[in-house]
Amino acid sequence: DTAVSQTPKYLVTQMGNDKSIKCEQNLGHDTMYWYKQDSKKFLKIMFSYNNKELIINETVPNRFSPKSPDKAHLNLHINSLELGDSAVYFCASSQGLTRGEAFFGQGTRLTVV
Amino acid sequence: RKEVEQDPGPFNVPEGATVAFNCTYSNSASQSFFWYRQDCRKEPKLLMSVYSSGNEDGRFTAQLNRASQYISLLIRDSKLSDSATYLCVVNLNFGNEKLTFGTGTRLTIIP
Repeated sequence: DTAVSQTPKYLVTQMGNDKSIKCEQNLGHDTMYWYKQDSKKFLKIMFSYNNKELIINETVPNRFSPKSPDKAHLNLHINSLELGDSAVYFCASSQGLTRGEAFFGQGTRLTVV
Repeated sequence: RKEVEQDPGPFNVPEGATVAFNCTYSNSASQSFFWYRQDCRKEPKLLMSVYSSGNEDGRFTAQLNRASQYISLLIRDSKLSDSATYLCVVNLNFGNEKLTFGTGTRLTIIP
């Protein structure tokens, strides 16, 4: 009964490949996010979706394309992977940050070789 | 200037000691404030929200000073299990809410 679940947990792939990360939340939240944590452990928002609609896109390269088929799912597809994409990607959800917290998935550790 | 600034540490303190973390944020329009905790190779989890009046949860006390744009976290009687990275987090709401994270302060409690 995990609240926010991401798959896969680990992903090792070669440069130039295309990969997807899936995220699902069973909390009934309206808003979902993708965050990237780089090698220096800095967490930075990439995208935010509210009820399947893109709300925030923080100057992320076009190679990253989020997709939200319904408000419980937010997937992240990455084209033409580069070495610099290696990081931990966290999915999160909330029911409004002024009212409460964001819940994070366990993270997907992406390594591009 | 970074949106949220923290001393990265590391802080190495003996068990039972009191430790304080500070954080400053740059945007005075920030709406809500949190401390998150992140254990090694795990996801961030909410430790506590921070209110203007200050709030306490057991051994943890959080304070917010809006005038100085400053947030603090105090941990009393520290335990080995408090070892983690503590993230100062601010919600900047200009119609679109998002959490902006500090770089985190790494704490190690020494037996």
